[in-house]
Amino acid sequence: GAVVSQHPSWVICKSGTSVKIECRSLDFQATTMFWYRQFPKQSLMLMATSNEGSKATYEQGVEKDKFLINHASLTLSTLTVTSAHPEDSSFYICSAREVAGVLYNEQFFGPGTRLTVL
Amino acid sequence: AQSVTQLDSHVSVSEGTPVLLRCNYSSSYSPSLFWYVQHPNKGLQLLLKYTSAATLVKGINGFEAEFKKSETSFHLTKPSAHMSDAAEYFCVVSPWGFQKLVFGTGTRLLVSP
Repeated sequence: GAVVSQHPSWVICKSGTSVKIECRSLDFQATTMFWYRQFPKQSLMLMATSNEGSKATYEQGVEKDKFLINHASLTLSTLTVTSAHPEDSSFYICSAREVAGVLYNEQFFGPGTRLTVL
Repeated sequence: AQSVTQLDSHVSVSEGTPVLLRCNYSSSYSPSLFWYVQHPNKGLQLLLKYTSAATLVKGINGFEAEFKKSETSFHLTKPSAHMSDAAEYFCVVSPWGFQKLVFGTGTRLLVSP
């Protein structure tokens, strides 16, 4: 149980295009989903927190117009990198937290999406 | 504010020898502390967590960690390393409520035959 998937696992795009990354909780309902960014050989940095049905809360320094987050259902959140540039190349990881119950106190992480912008 | 410091960026051990990965934390609240493991190009897996219950926490794959408030430490140990333990390990702190996780910079564990 408590599986989180991400799609795609990797993507290559041209500079100036937009890329959408999906994060799904497969066997539980996630009130809250988190998006992280990880540069090579570095730690994870929280980008934003999204709650189902409401606007995402972005961390300081993260451009909300560039990184669009939608959390339309209890099992799906999407991150869209708009007008991507090479500096947006990174490993993007999502996590999800259950609504209530035994899983409530833990975030479950997806396998990550590697984005390369040419 | 909450933060964690992982004292070693790399730790090298031989298979069968003990593992010690060090972590110190700073928190204004009673923290929850976690250790996660990340294998190359994979997501994170929770090894163990401390949430103000027993100070010695046992996790998966033979790992354990001890919460020491007086030393503000939460070091990860394993009695005998296995080749499959080679990975990146992150110490993580969260204030009460578990809304945000603050990651340390990570420690890469290298295990040699």
